[in-house]
Amino acid sequence: EDKVVQSPLSLVVHEGDTVTLNCSYEVTNFRSLLWYKQEKKAPTFLFMLTSSGIEKKSGRLSSILDKKELFSILNITATQTGDSAIYLCAVVPRTSGNTGKLIFGQGTTLQVKP
Amino acid sequence: NAGVMQNPRHLVRRRGQEARLRCSPMKGHSHVYWYRQLPEEGLKFMVYLQKENIIDESGMPKERFSAEFPKEGPSILRIQQVVRGDSAAYFCASSPNEGNSPLHFGNGTRLTVT
Repeated sequence: EDKVVQSPLSLVVHEGDTVTLNCSYEVTNFRSLLWYKQEKKAPTFLFMLTSSGIEKKSGRLSSILDKKELFSILNITATQTGDSAIYLCAVVPRTSGNTGKLIFGQGTTLQVKP
Repeated sequence: NAGVMQNPRHLVRRRGQEARLRCSPMKGHSHVYWYRQLPEEGLKFMVYLQKENIIDESGMPKERFSAEFPKEGPSILRIQQVVRGDSAAYFCASSPNEGNSPLHFGNGTRLTVT
């Protein structure tokens, strides 16, 4: 069965710290991996990764994929209280071109204290 | 350019009643997906629809749940004879096509069954 496992499940840090969130997956036919940030409402898209070893970067956030070891990491540097959220990792299996049938992990709840 | 619109934001139903959740995709998007997020769990795929067609309903319970996306109007997720276990956040997402585009999620409907 396809599955995505995130770790840690929760994390508390102080402003300015750097955090690394982990996502490992088992998928029969891998297409891509996505990271989302969920505050109190809609998950908002952060990154889509399809190729190994290529870092995607947006401000203080960056992510990389390792297709050989089947995992991805999301790094957040110089954390701010506004980074407090649930971070969701999802994998898209390569099935009939349907890229909307995502398999999500449980999420990592990040709390950044002032 | 409005995002994915879901309503209502909160819905309270007594056991045995019907719940109707609505989703209007982003402008220009013809693919709609429904996900459910149970407490302490990740998002789980329910159903994928295009206009007037159900493409994949493999994640939807066989009984009491149905979904439609008519030619005109929003997509509707309907839950008949709700039970306490249906209490969850229901998210709708849309995409423009079957290509490699990330999903855009709505703010969700939080259903509480009393």
